[in-house]
Amino acid sequence: EIVLTQSPATLSLSPGERATLSCRASQSVSSYLAWYQQKPGQAPRLLIYDASNRATGIPARFSGSGSGTDFTLTISSLEPEDFAVYYCQQRSYWPLSFGPGTKVDIK
Amino acid sequence: EVQLLESGGGLVQPGGSLRLSCAASGFTFGSYAMNWVRQAPGKGLEWVSVISGSGGNTHYADSVKGRFTISRDNSKNTLYLQLNSLRAEDTAVYYCAKGLWFGDSSPFDYWGQGTRVTVSS
Repeated sequence: EIVLTQSPATLSLSPGERATLSCRASQSVSSYLAWYQQKPGQAPRLLIYDASNRATGIPARFSGSGSGTDFTLTISSLEPEDFAVYYCQQRSYWPLSFGPGTKVDIK
Repeated sequence: EVQLLESGGGLVQPGGSLRLSCAASGFTFGSYAMNWVRQAPGKGLEWVSVISGSGGNTHYADSVKGRFTISRDNSKNTLYLQLNSLRAEDTAVYYCAKGLWFGDSSPFDYWGQGTRVTVSS
C-alpha cells in the first residue's frame, strides 16, 4: 500500500502570502497524484490532477509540480476562500490512498 | 450540471447492514467509473471502493474487503454500496465521487454531499 505523507500538518499564513504544501509518497507514483481542497462541512473539490494539471474552473493561482515520490501544491497568493484543508491522493496503485491533509489557516 | 445525491445512511448496531445509494444526473453515467470515499468524524479522507463504468471491474480498500460490496445500475443512473458486518470504525460520512475519465483509477472530479453512517449500540 502506498503511504502518502503531507507536510506541514498546519500552515499559518496571511492573505496574499504564498503557500507551499508538500506530499511525499512511500514509493514512486509517477505523475499520478491529485490535490483536493476541503472546507468545513463541504465535500472535497478536485484542484490538480496528474501532478500539474488544473481541474476545470480552478484559478491559476493554484499550481502543482513533482513526480516520483515528491510533489508540491503552490498557492501563489492566498485569497480568503483558500483557507481550508488540502489532501493529496495517488492513483498509481491499488488501493488508492489519500494523505492525511494539510490545514491552511489564517495567521 | 453534474449532481450526485447520496442516501441510505443512518444509525446501525455493530454487526448490522446498510445499503447506500447515489443518484447521478447531468452526465452519461455508464461512461464513468464511480467511487465511494469516506471520512470519519474529524479525520481525513479514506478511499473505499470503485466500480468501472460497465460494472465489470471493482476494487476495495483492505479495511472493507469482504464486508462491503459496490454495484451500479446504469439503467437507473444509480451507484450502490452494501455495507455488511459493520464496525464502530466504519462510522463516517460516505461520499460518492465520479471519475474524471472512463478509467477506474481516474481522479474524482465531482462529489456528492455525503450520507452519514453511525455504527453504535
